[in-house]
Amino acid sequence: EPEVTQTPSHQVTQMGQEVILRCVPISNHLYFYWYRQILGQKVEFLVSFYNNEISEKSEIFDDQFSVERPDGSNFTLKIRSTKLEDSAMYFCASSGRDTSTDTQYFGPGTRLTVL
Amino acid sequence: AQKVTQAQTEISVVEKEDVTLDCVYETRDTTYYLFWYKQPPSGELVFLIRRNSFDEQNEISGRYSWNFQKSTSSFNFTITASQVVDSAVYFCALSERYSEKLVFGKGMKLTVNP
Repeated sequence: EPEVTQTPSHQVTQMGQEVILRCVPISNHLYFYWYRQILGQKVEFLVSFYNNEISEKSEIFDDQFSVERPDGSNFTLKIRSTKLEDSAMYFCASSGRDTSTDTQYFGPGTRLTVL
Repeated sequence: AQKVTQAQTEISVVEKEDVTLDCVYETRDTTYYLFWYKQPPSGELVFLIRRNSFDEQNEISGRYSWNFQKSTSSFNFTITASQVVDSAVYFCALSERYSEKLVFGKGMKLTVNP
């Protein structure tokens, strides 16, 4: 069964450093998403991406964040200058061929720890 | 605005007990979609079910069943004869017709003891 994959599973970085989290969505999906989950809290939407551009973003997704689909398979989330409060689990998801309202399937997550 | 409320934060049961997880949602949209996801201790988010607002039919899948009631804006999830492997955090989520984001509830941690 096709699945979303994410690398690395755990990333430790120093405050102020740049990190890139990588995702490989399900191959025939067209919509891609990033969510984050601060430890013990609910899952929060960051951004959605379709047709090589951001289609929706939350207030959390400020100028320090960016997303990219550098090739036909990868989808990345870059955090330019990490802060302590960026420590969280980051989930990538992908959905649908037809509409953005298809079910979103999530990857296993990348745990980001900012020291 | 979209909102999902899971009033229960944590439930502990003994194996073979039935357990119901409550979910209440708020939306102004007439077309919306409801979901349940499971997050086992390993951390991934596993899709369980999707319900469209125009389909109030309840669903049963093995030991799992879902009760969708628009009149009370609820989408409750029942596990029958719970097993230790059901131990996880369960999230209810909502998306609206013209929005791509999922709005999650705070989650409910279920512990099934042997």
